[in-house]
Amino acid sequence: GAGVSQSPSNKVTEKGKDVELRCDPISGHTALYWYRQSLGQGLEFLIYFQGNSAPDKSGLPSDRFSAERTGGSVSTLTIQRTQQEDSAVYLCASRLAGEETQYFGPGTRLLVL
Amino acid sequence: QKEVEQDPGPLSVPEGAIVSLNCTYSNSAFQYFMWYRQYSRKGPELLMYTYSSGNKEDGRFTAQVDKSSKYISLFIRDSQPSDSATYLCAMSDGGYNKLIFGAGTRLAVHP
Repeated sequence: GAGVSQSPSNKVTEKGKDVELRCDPISGHTALYWYRQSLGQGLEFLIYFQGNSAPDKSGLPSDRFSAERTGGSVSTLTIQRTQQEDSAVYLCASRLAGEETQYFGPGTRLLVL
Repeated sequence: QKEVEQDPGPLSVPEGAIVSLNCTYSNSAFQYFMWYRQYSRKGPELLMYTYSSGNKEDGRFTAQVDKSSKYISLFIRDSQPSDSATYLCAMSDGGYNKLIFGAGTRLAVHP
């Protein structure tokens, strides 16, 4: 079946602009996670959704970052007033209820100029 | 000190070699251990999943967990050039929580 999909694949933006990144989880997966992968920091957790609720937002680096999930499916990660340090690969993962394993999408490569 | 330590390499081996990749961790609450493979400009792909201590084998891959030493390993037998990738260890304390990742080890298998 289809895996996790993310769009866009690549995004180049200017400092100060807002960006929206989208994640479509595997059908039937109730849990969804956002991670960020950058050269200096490795893969870091951002936020976790169970259904449409976010019980763990502890990884969001600042209030410029927000995320929502609607209909228990698609999620959007929004970064406002982007900064150069936001340049990274943003990865989405989903998980089936009752299992621990997370399955990742291909990521969105964000470059802030 | 990071919760999960992993040597970033790079590790270069000849085709057919046995590869050993390792991670150490500090949080004794970790119970679930995973290995992901990530090709360049792709997302991480789940390779192996282990709960608690012990060994798990899947084809050419063997995952080992030693909770007493807080040490996990991934062995690749008969390595192939197609195994060239970055290998990430990841772990969680259960409860469907976030994964904590190692830095990843870059592996190159040359013909």
